[in-house]
Amino acid sequence: GQNIDQPTEMTATEGAIVQINCTYQTSGFNGLFWYQQHAGEAPTFLSYNVLDGLEEKGRFSSFLSRSKGYSYLLLKELQMKDSASYLCAVPMRDDYKLSFGAGTTVTVRA
Amino acid sequence: NAGVTQTPKFRILKIGQSMTLQCTQDMNHNYMYWYRQDPGMGLKLIYYSVGAGITDKGEVPNGYNVSRSTTEDFPLRLELAAPSQTSVYFCASSPGAGPYEQYFGPGTRLTVT
Repeated sequence: GQNIDQPTEMTATEGAIVQINCTYQTSGFNGLFWYQQHAGEAPTFLSYNVLDGLEEKGRFSSFLSRSKGYSYLLLKELQMKDSASYLCAVPMRDDYKLSFGAGTTVTVRA
Repeated sequence: NAGVTQTPKFRILKIGQSMTLQCTQDMNHNYMYWYRQDPGMGLKLIYYSVGAGITDKGEVPNGYNVSRSTTEDFPLRLELAAPSQTSVYFCASSPGAGPYEQYFGPGTRLTVT
């Protein structure tokens, strides 16, 4: 099965940059997803990486290293609305079922 | 396009009661999922379906049942509710296997006392 680790909490200042790390162990790799979840709301898709390297999408970027079993989500120019939980997820052996990490709660302070 | 809808939003059950959580999607997705989310524990897959008439167990299926008679609907049944089933339940759908994002419903917050 999958073993996914990410930090529990991070705090940063408005306008700053925060990097959320995710390490995983999986028996077969079919990509890695990042989701954002605001308190009391449903998760929403942020990014998907299947090849090594950095994928940039506006203020958010996601990086993957398959050989190291490592990914990070980079949030730039932080805004108050970025305060949320960020979930790292990898597909299980059957690639349509996702295994989620516990999530990293990011708090943005003024 | 409403996406994925869930009812009810909130529910309090007594121990031993039963209920059905409803989930409907209007995106014609074949794949549908039920998750539960406990504080600090992430999302755990309860059941999933790859098409009408086909369902299978996820990581934590005990105490739950599902059915999938149509592409749109994927109800989750709780029989003999227990306090351990207090959680937030999310339904999700995706268009296929592989690199497809899952679309989540707004969730049902269930308390069993």
